[in-house]
Amino acid sequence: GDSVTQMEGPVTLSEEAFLTINCTYTATGYPSLFWYVQYPGEGLQLLLKATKADDKGSNKGFEATYRKETTSFHLEKGSVQVSDSAVYFCALRSGSSNTGKLIFGQGTTLQVKP
Amino acid sequence: SQTIHQWPATLVQPVGSPLSLECTVEGTSNPNLYWYRQAAGRGLQLLFYSVGIGQISSEVPQNLSASRPQDRQFILSSKKLLLSDSGFYLCAWTRQAREQYFGPGTRLTVT
Repeated sequence: GDSVTQMEGPVTLSEEAFLTINCTYTATGYPSLFWYVQYPGEGLQLLLKATKADDKGSNKGFEATYRKETTSFHLEKGSVQVSDSAVYFCALRSGSSNTGKLIFGQGTTLQVKP
Repeated sequence: SQTIHQWPATLVQPVGSPLSLECTVEGTSNPNLYWYRQAAGRGLQLLFYSVGIGQISSEVPQNLSASRPQDRQFILSSKKLLLSDSGFYLCAWTRQAREQYFGPGTRLTVT
C-alpha cells in the first residue's frame, strides 16, 4: 500500500542555517503531496502542497518539489528562524482517492537555536 | 471562510468513564470529516472518517466510536476509557477530496 517515510529527528540547527527534511513516498498512480507543520500544543497547519510531478510548493520561505523519478518531496528553507521550531509532517493523498484520506509520515521535529 | 472547532480543549477523565469529543465545521457544506489520535511524541493515527451524515468508516478497531448526527458535526465517543486512550485528538475536514484542514485539538488525559 501507499506509504510515506520521513527522516528521523530531532533536527537541531542554528538560526539562519539551511534546512532540509527528507521525505520519500511509495504510491501507485499520481498522488498529491503535502507538508504540514505542528507547533507545540496546536493542530496541524498546511504548509505547502504539490499536485503533480515537477510542481514546486512554497510558503513562508519553505519549498518542496514533487520529484516523481525519485519519489521524493523534500522540504527546504534557506534560513531558518527560532520560530520555525515545530514538528513537520509529510503526507500524500492517493490520486484515486475519493475520500480525501491522507497518509502521513511519522513527523520530524525541528529545533532551531538562537 | 471556513472554521473548524473542537471542544473541550483539554480533558482529564478517570479510567472507565465515558467520553464525548465534539468537532464542528463552519463555512462549508458536505465536508469529509476525520478523527485522528496523536500519542505523545508520535505521529498521527487515523481513527475514523465520514463522507456524509450517518456514514462512518473505522480505520482501527478499538473501544472508540464516532457519529455524525449533522452535516458539519462529528463526535468521538467511548463508553469506558482506557489508559491507552490518552493522547491528542485532532479533527480535520476536506471538501472535494482536497487538502485537509485541522482543528486545534483536544488533549485527553486518562488517569
